[in-house]
Amino acid sequence: AQSVTQLGSHVSVSEGALVLLRCNYSSSVPPYLFWYVQYPNQGLQLLLKYTTGATLVKGINGFEAEFKKSETSFHLTKPSAHMSDAAEYFCAVSGTGANNLFFGTGTRLTVIP
Amino acid sequence: DTGVSQDPRHKITKRGQNVTFRCDPISEHNRLYWYRQTLGQGPEFLTYFQNEAQLEKSRLLSDRFSAERPKGSFSTLEIQRTEQGDSAMYLCASSLVGPINPYNEQFFGPGTRLTVL
Repeated sequence: AQSVTQLGSHVSVSEGALVLLRCNYSSSVPPYLFWYVQYPNQGLQLLLKYTTGATLVKGINGFEAEFKKSETSFHLTKPSAHMSDAAEYFCAVSGTGANNLFFGTGTRLTVIP
Repeated sequence: DTGVSQDPRHKITKRGQNVTFRCDPISEHNRLYWYRQTLGQGPEFLTYFQNEAQLEKSRLLSDRFSAERPKGSFSTLEIQRTEQGDSAMYLCASSLVGPINPYNEQFFGPGTRLTVL
């Protein structure tokens, strides 16, 4: 069984501040982990993914995430928030033999000018 | 290729009516997924196709829901006798599962927002 918990349904940061969005997962098989971003009334866009290999993965728009097996975490970070980062962010897990993605409930990021 | 497309983008219907949504995946992708997203929640898996075969259905997919992918290309999702609880965003995704993508990276369409009055 697989599941994702995203702590904090809403996060607010000032423009230029560090962005940290938390994701913890549960998986009975080695996980594949994904972060997606969703802008209002749009579909989901893939930011980055962890499959195997290097545990620090870099994605689009300056985002990165680190897979920590011991903590079952895959937190998303960005050193400096931009106004255009305001959106909903979803963490998702899959794995070998899994045919679909399991999503968290999302975190809405607000960037304050 | 411009990615996954869905039609319509918005649908308003009255309770009890039937609705049908269409999804056109990325052309070479062999898998097609339907997800449902309600307000304040993440997407929830409904069903998926490998080519034209429907291989898995979620418990969320009640008997009023039916999906098809007749030629292994586009797919339709029909909801019969709609209920207010069906109001949601319906997302389609596609992927090319194989040696170059064993991780099942999925590409999402813009979604169809259904409102049942």
